Amino acid sequence: AQSVAQPEDQVNVAEGNPLTVKCTYSVSGNPYLFWYVQYPNRGLQFLLKYITGDNLVKGSYGFEAEFNKSQTSFHLKKPSALVSDSALYFCAVRDANTGNQFYFGTGTSLTVIP
Amino acid sequence: KAGVTQTPRYLIKTRGQQVTLSCSPISGHRSVSWYQQTPGQGLQFLFEYFSETQRNKGNFPGRFSGRQFSNSRSEMNVSTLELGDSALYLCASSRSTYEQYFGPGTRLTVT
Repeated sequence: AQSVAQPEDQVNVAEGNPLTVKCTYSVSGNPYLFWYVQYPNRGLQFLLKYITGDNLVKGSYGFEAEFNKSQTSFHLKKPSALVSDSALYFCAVRDANTGNQFYFGTGTSLTVIP
Repeated sequence: KAGVTQTPRYLIKTRGQQVTLSCSPISGHRSVSWYQQTPGQGLQFLFEYFSETQRNKGNFPGRFSGRQFSNSRSEMNVSTLELGDSALYLCASSRSTYEQYFGPGTRLTVT
């Protein structure tokens, strides 16, 4: 069973507008959730994580994500998109039921249009 | 603190050959994971090592193997290379259940 789903392969947003990249998960128990960003020909860079506590998590480069347990979602958000935010975004979950293995979503390509 | 390093960064091999990729984790990180990234399949988990023991393994054939040394450095080996093995191979290190930190990857091209 897929542990992480990113329903959108591609998201386009105008510069200055708010952006949302969606992620849902399906592990049982308390999930550890993460967002990563990948620029062309680079490895993944850690953006933010939810382990416990406040459902709104703030991360690098002005990004934030909201953990919603009832909807099993962890959407990535930013109030005002920059052209430099254009990249590939991955959602990931650590599943304690499988030895804390990481599961990554298929990625969402974000394009910010000037 | 130095990040995760991977060598070599680029590699070209021919079918049937074997290849060894190396990964040096962030100091203090005992867990090292390997991933294969391709445009069609996304990020696929290969295996994870923790304190020299394989802790998790993905669904890859036995041609893919790895190991971890006492200093936490890890190597990944692919034998009898196939064209479909062309990919970006990413290594990531972490402390226990915390976030993973990725290296820049090794771009393997099989001709």
